[in-house]
Amino acid sequence: GAGVSQSPSNKVTEKGKDVELRCDPISGHTALYWYRQSLGQGLEFLIYFQGNSAPDKSGLPSDRFSAERTGGSVSTLTIQRTQQEDSAVYLCASTKRSLAGTDTQYFGPGTRLTVL
Amino acid sequence: AQKVTQAQTEISVVEKEDVTLDCVYETRDTTYYLFWYKQPPSGELVFLIRRNSFDEQNEISGRYSWNFQKSTSSFNFTITASQVVDSAVYFCALSEALTGFQKLVFGTGTRLLVSP
Repeated sequence: GAGVSQSPSNKVTEKGKDVELRCDPISGHTALYWYRQSLGQGLEFLIYFQGNSAPDKSGLPSDRFSAERTGGSVSTLTIQRTQQEDSAVYLCASTKRSLAGTDTQYFGPGTRLTVL
Repeated sequence: AQKVTQAQTEISVVEKEDVTLDCVYETRDTTYYLFWYKQPPSGELVFLIRRNSFDEQNEISGRYSWNFQKSTSSFNFTITASQVVDSAVYFCALSEALTGFQKLVFGTGTRLLVSP
């Protein structure tokens, strides 16, 4: 089946604008994760969804960042009033919730965000 | 706190050489999972392996092998007879969650360059 998809693949925006990044997980996967990959910070966790709820938002760097998930499927990560330090690749991953223990996260191709 | 250290920033080898990528981790938990991911130039993180903390058996998959040693908190990855297609950034990651949610803590990655 199809893997995790993300759109857009590239986004260039001006400082101060809002952006929305979309993630479509693997069909049947109930857990969804957002990570950010930047030169300065490496790969860092942002937020996790189980179904439509987000039990852990601890990685969101500021209140300009928010995310939602609807229908237990597509998720949108929104960054308001973008700053240059928000420039990074935003990666989404999904897992099939398993009773056997922790699951393997499968990643999408990412969205490269550039804030001018 | 959890931490993953990949001390090798970049490794260059010639095709057919064997190469070992080092990974050292820190965690207070007795139960945890370790992962290796490959990030080729296309950017997508590709899952390679997952090991749990109770299983210290070494694993081999084709040209890939992994050496997990709890005594030294290391989870090293060896590629035998490297090929140009192995050129990528390799990430080691740690997860402390047992079930359901897993927040991956990544190392900074090792860039492997395999030349013909």
